[in-house]
Amino acid sequence: GNSVTQMEGPVTLSEEAFLTINCTYTATGYPSLFWYVQYPGEGLQLLLKATKADDKGSNKGFEATYRKETTSFHLEKGSVQVSDSAVYFCALSTDKLIFGTGTRLQVFP
Amino acid sequence: GAVVSQHPSWVICKSGTSVKIECRSLDFQATTMFWYRQFPKQSLMLMATSNEGSKATYEQGVEKDKFLINHASLTLSTLTVTSAHPEDSSFYICSARDIGGRVNGNTIYFGEGSWLTVV
Repeated sequence: GNSVTQMEGPVTLSEEAFLTINCTYTATGYPSLFWYVQYPGEGLQLLLKATKADDKGSNKGFEATYRKETTSFHLEKGSVQVSDSAVYFCALSTDKLIFGTGTRLQVFP
Repeated sequence: GAVVSQHPSWVICKSGTSVKIECRSLDFQATTMFWYRQFPKQSLMLMATSNEGSKATYEQGVEKDKFLINHASLTLSTLTVTSAHPEDSSFYICSARDIGGRVNGNTIYFGEGSWLTVV
């Protein structure tokens, strides 16, 4: 069946460090891929998405490229801020949205 | 952008009572809404898919009689937790898909979530 695998957290970084959160997927067909972010005590917000192979989603300095050959959608940011501390969920969509387990990011000044 | 509103944001109820959570799409029509449950520091578990005008489709292991879902209109779905127990305490999140979009490539918008505490 369809599934999403994310790297385990927490990921702890200093401010301005480079961020990578790995995400790989298994799916039949051609799913759309998403990154959602959840700040403490809040619901989910869409961070970025990609709908087909080689698409790059980007928002707020975050980027992720839909790699069909490696079935991956890794999230990257060149310089993280304390305000980026949150839980990040990778997800794929076919007839329903399936989430990875989430990766907690902690950024310290 | 599209907005999905959930109400209440948090609720405390006594064990054995029922509690209803509403999910509304504010600026688009949603034939399909989804209900998720999230335990602390864990991922979201899809509970059921709510279809306007028909019965909800429940995921394996989710009790239909305990988690009643009604999708009476194109902008409103409700989740009722019946005879609530402390183990039902959780963060419940709904999401909605725009009526006009295709399944693939469509962006699904989430509500703010509802904290349920059963005492």
